[in-house]
Amino acid sequence: NAGVTQTPKFQVLKTGQSMTLQCAQDMNHEYMSWYRQDPGMGLRLIHYSVGAGITDQGEVPNGYNVSRSTTEDFPLRLLSAAPSQTSVYFCASSVLSTGTEQFFGPGTRLTVL
Amino acid sequence: KNEVEQSPQNLTAQEGEFITINCSYSVGISALHWLQQHPGGGIVSLFMLSSGKKKHGRLIATINIQEKHSSLHITASHPRDSAVYICAVRTGGGADGLTFGKGTHLIIQP
Repeated sequence: NAGVTQTPKFQVLKTGQSMTLQCAQDMNHEYMSWYRQDPGMGLRLIHYSVGAGITDQGEVPNGYNVSRSTTEDFPLRLLSAAPSQTSVYFCASSVLSTGTEQFFGPGTRLTVL
Repeated sequence: KNEVEQSPQNLTAQEGEFITINCSYSVGISALHWLQQHPGGGIVSLFMLSSGKKKHGRLIATINIQEKHSSLHITASHPRDSAVYICAVRTGGGADGLTFGKGTHLIIQP
């Protein structure tokens, strides 16, 4: 199993540009989520999904869109990038039940100029 | 919203020392996770606890539900243990995301 994969690993955008961060998992996990990690702060939940066709907002959803058309894929879209979205983004997946192990992707380091 | 506090924020120790990292949270939880993040950035799950104690190799994690507190211990620490250790809690059911502490930056010197 490849586990959770994310692409790209690094990305530089200009303010106003849009892009999609890709996330895929091959463990047939129902639950997938996107977090951002900023210096001096804990990871914060952006959006999550409990299955194909179902998504919901987390703590910091503004400026981001998600969709879940398949169990495997959970892309994160930045509609109009802003410098405040400069961060490291992690995708994670798990079985949908309380207290199960979370599997994290390797992260995408995004810089918005 | 659950508040997760970790201590210490930074810890430097000598190889072989016994290490303790603490995590406190404000609201009852369904599970607590200990995660490790190496300098390369990847995050790995170490433990998931809802009660009691777990051990894996030189790592031991404990949780006291009544006191809303968990500890991560490393015995016979080694430079390869140098990493950021992150505590995260799940407050509700499986659909809820995790709430993370800010992490403890551990450096083990040879």
